[in-house]
Amino acid sequence: RKEVEQDPGPFNVPEGATVAFNCTYSNSASQSFFWYRQDCRKEPKLLMSVYSSGNEDGRFTAQLNRASQYISLLIRDSKLSDSATYLCAVKGAGSYQLTFGKGTKLSVIP
Amino acid sequence: EAGVAQSPRYKIIEKRQSVAFWCNPISGHATLYWYQQILGQGPKLLIQFQNNGVVDDSQLPKDRFSAERLKGVDSTLKIQPAKLEDSAVYLCASSLRIEQFFGPGTRLTVL
Repeated sequence: RKEVEQDPGPFNVPEGATVAFNCTYSNSASQSFFWYRQDCRKEPKLLMSVYSSGNEDGRFTAQLNRASQYISLLIRDSKLSDSATYLCAVKGAGSYQLTFGKGTKLSVIP
Repeated sequence: EAGVAQSPRYKIIEKRQSVAFWCNPISGHATLYWYQQILGQGPKLLIQFQNNGVVDDSQLPKDRFSAERLKGVDSTLKIQPAKLEDSAVYLCASSLRIEQFFGPGTRLTVL
C-alpha cells in the first residue's frame, strides 16, 4: 500500500457543482495533513491545513478521519478558477517531512 | 513578504552533463527542502536541511546528487552526471514551522 493515495481523477464537473476528493494515508502515526493546489506548470500552493475538528475556508471544507486514515476536501459552488490539480500531503511524527499523493486533477467546465 | 526564489527556471542539458540549481528561502525560515516532481506525480522529498545541517537525505541518489546549504540560507542542488530519468521539476520549499511554501521550481530536461 502506498503511503499516500488519492482519488485517480480526473474530475470534470460543471460550474456550480460540489466536488469531493479523498486521500488515504498508511501511517497511523501521521500528525499533520494538508491540501495543496497546483496549477499547470506552477508550484504547489498551500490551500488548507486539515485539523482534527475539520475546518472550512469559504467554499472549501477539509475533514480528517483518523480512524479510517483519510482526509477529504469538499469544494462547493465550483468556479472555473478552481481547475487545478489538488495534492494531499501528510506529515509523519517527529519530522517536518511531507509525503505527497499523486494529485487529483479537477476541471470545472462552463 | 518575498517568496522562495529559485534559478534557473528552465534548463536543458545532455545526459552525462552536470547541472546546478539555486534556492533562496523565505527570510527567517530555518528549514529548507528540495523536492523532485516527475510529470504526473506528487513532489518527492530529496533532502531536508535545518539551518545548514542535513536532517534527512534518505531519498537523495547520492551517487549523482549533492546538495549544500551554506550559512544556513541559500542552497544549491547539483546533479553530476545527469541521466535521462532526472528530467523533472526541482522544487525548493522552506518552512518556519510545519507549513511549507514552495518556490517556482526549475524544469530540467535531460536529452
